[in-house]
Amino acid sequence: DTAVSQTPKYLVTQMGNDKSIKCEQNLGHDTMYWYKQDSKKFLKIMFSYNNKELIINETVPNRFSPKSPDKAHLNLHINSLELGDSAVYFCASKGGANTEAFFGQGTRLTVV
Amino acid sequence: GEDVEQSLFLSVREGDSSVINCTYTDSSSTYLYWYKQEPGAGLQLLTYIFSNMDMKQDQRLTVLLNKKDKHLSLRIADTQTGDSAIYFCAESLSSGSARQLTFGSGTQLTVLP
Repeated sequence: DTAVSQTPKYLVTQMGNDKSIKCEQNLGHDTMYWYKQDSKKFLKIMFSYNNKELIINETVPNRFSPKSPDKAHLNLHINSLELGDSAVYFCASKGGANTEAFFGQGTRLTVV
Repeated sequence: GEDVEQSLFLSVREGDSSVINCTYTDSSSTYLYWYKQEPGAGLQLLTYIFSNMDMKQDQRLTVLLNKKDKHLSLRIADTQTGDSAIYFCAESLSSGSARQLTFGSGTQLTVLP
């Protein structure tokens, strides 16, 4: 029974396309995140939502738009994909203030 | 610069101990974490330590925290080839009504036979 699930696991698409990555958690957590892991394996937070409200929005191009239809879902929509968007995107969720974050398996996005 | 820093690579021989180091900047961090990422996989929480502790031991894993120097280390005893992975330390920071995890760059541990 997967705690945080992301779809798709792999995504290959052409430059200029628009794509979405979905994330769902069944842990009842209030907070969800999107992280980007680049080719050097650096993990950078992109967005954080708490109870469907945007809390953290790091310096991310506005081509990236998160959407949280409910507390259990945080989807990431990317417009006009660029080569530099190629990375692994991780969704995570977290319960209380000082608890661990649970991560999805990641979505490997390749823009060609 | 990075708020959480780690060295990028570490190689050890199978059976030896591995020590992965991390420094952080936010003195208000209350929990510090170690995550493991195996190739092609997501992040798995290995262990964590509360900031009022100096040491935590969990089977082959020992976490040491020097709060004065803001230094965290993870020691893996009797390192096995299955321990080869990237290890991330993370601190829990307050940001508005949410607490976010800020990760270090990750340390690639290679275990040689």
